[in-house]
Amino acid sequence: QQPVQSPQAVILREGEDAVINCSSSKALYSVHWYRQKHGEAPVFLMILLKGGEQKGHEKISASFNEKKQQSSLYLTASQLSYSGTYFCGTVQTGANNLFFGTGTRLTVIP
Amino acid sequence: NAGVTQTPKFRILKIGQSMTLQCTQDMNHNYMYWYRQDPGMGLKLIYYSVGAGITDKGEVPNGYNVSRSTTEDFPLRLELAAPSQTSVYFCASSYSDRGVGGYTFGSGTRLTVV
Repeated sequence: QQPVQSPQAVILREGEDAVINCSSSKALYSVHWYRQKHGEAPVFLMILLKGGEQKGHEKISASFNEKKQQSSLYLTASQLSYSGTYFCGTVQTGANNLFFGTGTRLTVIP
Repeated sequence: NAGVTQTPKFRILKIGQSMTLQCTQDMNHNYMYWYRQDPGMGLKLIYYSVGAGITDKGEVPNGYNVSRSTTEDFPLRLELAAPSQTSVYFCASSYSDRGVGGYTFGSGTRLTVV
């Protein structure tokens, strides 16, 4: 039931772009994205509820392909503050609980 | 607005001891959850509650118990602690089912069993 994330880790220079992918073998109701900084709690970024929907704010956005059970998180013009581990979480169709992927560690360097 | 408050922040237990991890939220959320996070891993659901008096098991419930007597409080009980329970524990809450609107997490409890 756990979604699969890729890549496991990525290093960027400030200003570069990144894409983090999340996929599930199950039909999905929704996909969540969270960011966790070292030693802190995960922080909610956004939720995607419908197929093909793209959401975002500022330079972080995401898409959800309901037919393929896949979601992607897009970080553009990365900033040092974007560093952290990004987790996707999925809620399966007909279910209630959120299952998290193993995370993608993003490091932005000057 | 405090959000989700967890206590204690750190704890060391000896094998076989018991303890309760406290979780309180002041957002009037019906849905509350306990997750554990092992180093370099994602979060695994231990137990969840959809309202006062209603709890259910998640992915990894063995060795734990919960209760939900009020909307605000959702304590997690560890009985007979084992080294495999060394982890960081997060409590979370949401205002709707399936987490529409996102989960709000507490700051976590880092537990070491020796």
